[in-house]
Amino acid sequence: KQEVTQIPAALSVPEGENLVLNCSFTDSAIYNLQWFRQDPGKGLTSLLLIQSSQREQTSGRLNASLDKSSGRSTLYIAASQPGDSATYLCAVTNTGNQFYFGTGTSLTVIP
Amino acid sequence: EAGVAQSPRYKIIEKRQSVAFWCNPISGHATLYWYQQILGQGPKLLIQFQNNGVVDDSQLPKDRFSAERLKGVDSTLKIQPAKLEDSAVYLCASSIGTSISDTQYFGPGTRLTVL
Repeated sequence: KQEVTQIPAALSVPEGENLVLNCSFTDSAIYNLQWFRQDPGKGLTSLLLIQSSQREQTSGRLNASLDKSSGRSTLYIAASQPGDSATYLCAVTNTGNQFYFGTGTSLTVIP
Repeated sequence: EAGVAQSPRYKIIEKRQSVAFWCNPISGHATLYWYQQILGQGPKLLIQFQNNGVVDDSQLPKDRFSAERLKGVDSTLKIQPAKLEDSAVYLCASSIGTSISDTQYFGPGTRLTVL
């Protein structure tokens, strides 16, 4: 069974700092990997999707990388803003079409 | 475009009671998902529908949980009887296509507290 882990569980940074969130998975037979954002009391919003054949995806200040062989992905956030405060979740889709979320990283950006 | 709607937003019940949650996906979306998110954990997929057929319910505790998607549109998730460990946020999501890799759009969730 796929295990998806995110470290750290919580992170506080001052505004303007660049930061990296980590996601690791145990089974490298994945179809793709997604990063989501979850705000309190709200649903999840998809941020970036990386297909298994890709190495990275970029959207604005966000850059996600994927190293399938080592079972790792990182989400890089440049020039963090207080509005970036949220929980960030990664999720993998196995080649068997099963979908697994990670444990999440709670990010607080301090003004 | 209206998003995924869920109701109720909050529910408090006592153990052994029954409860039902409702989800209305984005219009035209073929696939609907129910997730359970326990505090401090990532969401866990409970069941996936394509139109009104079940694609994956391998992680649904079938002795107490049931779900249906009549007419391939809205869906209900029921717990009967509830246990303390069922306290969680229940998220509904939908996607336009039939692949699990399609972008999923999530509703706000229903927070269930079992006392």
